[in-house]
Amino acid sequence: GQQVMQIPQYQHVQEGEDFTTYCNSSTTLSNIQWYKQRPGGHPVFLIQLVKSGEVKKQKRLTFQFGEAKKNSSLHITATQTTDVGTYFCAGPARGSSGGSNYKLTFGKGTLLTVNP
Amino acid sequence: NAGVTQTPKFQVLKTGQSMTLQCAQDMNHEYMSWYRQDPGMGLRLIHYSVGAGITDQGEVPNGYNVSRSTTEDFPLRLLSAAPSQTSVYFCASSYSWGGTEAFFGQGTRLTVV
Repeated sequence: GQQVMQIPQYQHVQEGEDFTTYCNSSTTLSNIQWYKQRPGGHPVFLIQLVKSGEVKKQKRLTFQFGEAKKNSSLHITATQTTDVGTYFCAGPARGSSGGSNYKLTFGKGTLLTVNP
Repeated sequence: NAGVTQTPKFQVLKTGQSMTLQCAQDMNHEYMSWYRQDPGMGLRLIHYSVGAGITDQGEVPNGYNVSRSTTEDFPLRLLSAAPSQTSVYFCASSYSWGGTEAFFGQGTRLTVV
């Protein structure tokens, strides 16, 4: 079945440094979503990318969707302590029943810690 | 709007006990799902539902049952709890199967002793 792989698993940076996490799928994705989970919290939706080669920005966060729609990245410029958390990518995969039955599959996430 | 509500927030079970984790959403979402989160394993899908009366298995369904009799509720049943089911459980809902934002509940931290 489809697998969504994410690297690195952990990243520790000094405040002000940049950070990037990468997501790779074994199959072509119709779209990819990114979520952030603060320590002790629940995942919160950040953004969805749909088009091949799409780039979206949210303040210091830049999201990219690969041309082949099999990979994606999240880049944070000049990290702050508020960026601490685990970042997940997620993509839809066809369910076992086939047809229009899909499920949302998550990568294992990248835990970002920031040293002030 | 309460969003996605999970109860309880914390639970301790003895091995062999059964229990039901509750999940309710008030956004009229068709798609609901259950994930478990373990250190280093990310979010693994247990079961999901694409509408009332329709459920399907995810990656790790063994030991869990679900049913979806209403659009609002999607309970997760542990049939006979095992220590390997110690985890944090998240319920999520979205308007459609995987093309729209998923809203997560606050989570249930379950410990099986």
